[in-house]
Amino acid sequence: KNEVEQSPQNLTAQEGEFITINCSYSVGISALHWLQQHPGGGIVSLFMLSSGKKKHGRLIATINIQEKHSSLHITASHPRDSAVYICAVRQGAQKLVFGQGTRLTINP
Amino acid sequence: DVKVTQSSRYLVKRTGEKVFLECVQDMDHENMFWYRQDPGLGLRLIYFSYDVKMKEKGDIPEGYSVSREKKERFSLILESASTNQTSMYLCASSSYISSYNEQFFGPGTRLTVL
Repeated sequence: KNEVEQSPQNLTAQEGEFITINCSYSVGISALHWLQQHPGGGIVSLFMLSSGKKKHGRLIATINIQEKHSSLHITASHPRDSAVYICAVRQGAQKLVFGQGTRLTINP
Repeated sequence: DVKVTQSSRYLVKRTGEKVFLECVQDMDHENMFWYRQDPGLGLRLIYFSYDVKMKEKGDIPEGYSVSREKKERFSLILESASTNQTSMYLCASSSYISSYNEQFFGPGTRLTVL
C-alpha cells in the first residue's frame, strides 16, 4: 500500500462543475503540499498545509490531521484547470513523498 | 523568481550508454533533488543533496549516481543506461531558510533508452 493515496486517479468534468480531489496518507507528516503539473511536465506548488484550510482564487485545500486526509476543491472549473494534481506529504525537514496524481480534464 | 533549468527536454539514448542529466538553480538553494516520474507510480526520489559534495540516497538509487561540485548544479548520471530507466526525470531545489520549504521544480527531461 502506498503511503500517499489519491482518488480518483482520473476525473473528467464539464466546465463550471465543482471538483474534489482526495488525498489520504498513512505516515506522520510535518506538512502536506498540493502541486499542479501541466502537460509538458512543469510542476508548480499550489498550497502547503499543516492544519485547517487555505483558499487561493477558485482553489480551496483542507486538511484533517486526525483523519490523515486532505482535499483539494476547485470551484467553477474551467478547461485551463485541466492538469495533473499531485498530493505530497513532507516527512521531516525536506523529504517529500508523493501520491500518484489525479489527472483532471475539464471539457468546455 | 526561482528558476530551475534542466539541460534537455527530450533525450534518446541507447542501452549501455553513459547519460548525464544536468540541473541548475539560480536561487542559492542548499537542497537539490532528482526524481523520476512514471505513470501510476508518481514521483519517486532518486537522490538528494543538502550541500556541495554531499549526497543522500533516495528511495530508488540503484543504477544512478549524482554529482554536486557547485552549489547551483546537481547532475544525475546513468552509468550504463537500461530500457527500464526510460522515464521523465525532474529536478527540484529548496532552501532551509524558507519556512514554507517549498520545492521548485525544473521542466523535466523525458529520457528514452532504446
